Amino acid sequence: SQTIHQWPATLVQPVGSPLSLECTVEGTSNPNLYWYRQAAGRGLQLLFYSVGIGQISSEVPQNLSASRPQDRQFILSSKKLLLSDSGFYLCAWSAFQETQYFGPGTRLLVL
Amino acid sequence: GDSVTQMEGPVTLSEEAFLTINCTYTATGYPSLFWYVQYPGEGLQLLLKATKADDKGSNKGFEATYRKETTSFHLEKGSVQVSDSAVYFCALSANNDMRFGAGTRLTVKP
Repeated sequence: SQTIHQWPATLVQPVGSPLSLECTVEGTSNPNLYWYRQAAGRGLQLLFYSVGIGQISSEVPQNLSASRPQDRQFILSSKKLLLSDSGFYLCAWSAFQETQYFGPGTRLLVL
Repeated sequence: GDSVTQMEGPVTLSEEAFLTINCTYTATGYPSLFWYVQYPGEGLQLLLKATKADDKGSNKGFEATYRKETTSFHLEKGSVQVSDSAVYFCALSANNDMRFGAGTRLTVKP
């Protein structure tokens, strides 16, 4: 069966520091991969999606970036965090069709 | 573009009460429809889905019917439990593009 992992689970970072969040998927090949952000008490905002290695589409311009160095690995990065980057970051995968399956999430607090 | 609108919360119910969370959608094609549930501090879990008109998705006592004529996919449960307290998201997917509603927070009190 397929599983999706995210780490770290929780992260507290100072403003201006770099960020790297990792997401890996097991049990499937060539998945579509997604990064979402969920601000406190709010809905989901799609940040990036990828349909293959090295293929990244950005939905919202901001100081975040994403990379997909391997088929089942998706990384979210920032060179300098802002206070507004605080939130709950969710990675998801899907096969060619439709249903997205989510990881456990990373809670980021920027101070 | 495609979009989903779901009823605003929060919704507070007593245990064993009937639940309805309304969801309507706008789509140019023939989307698949989903309900996801998010328990505190966790990621989203797929609760149920329906891929064509008149399909009924069901899971854990929850049901939703894909109504093309009213462009709706309302979530229902006949008797809620305290453990159903969570945030519920309605979503649609068409052409590999998924759109989520804003989420509805449900609190069930004993």
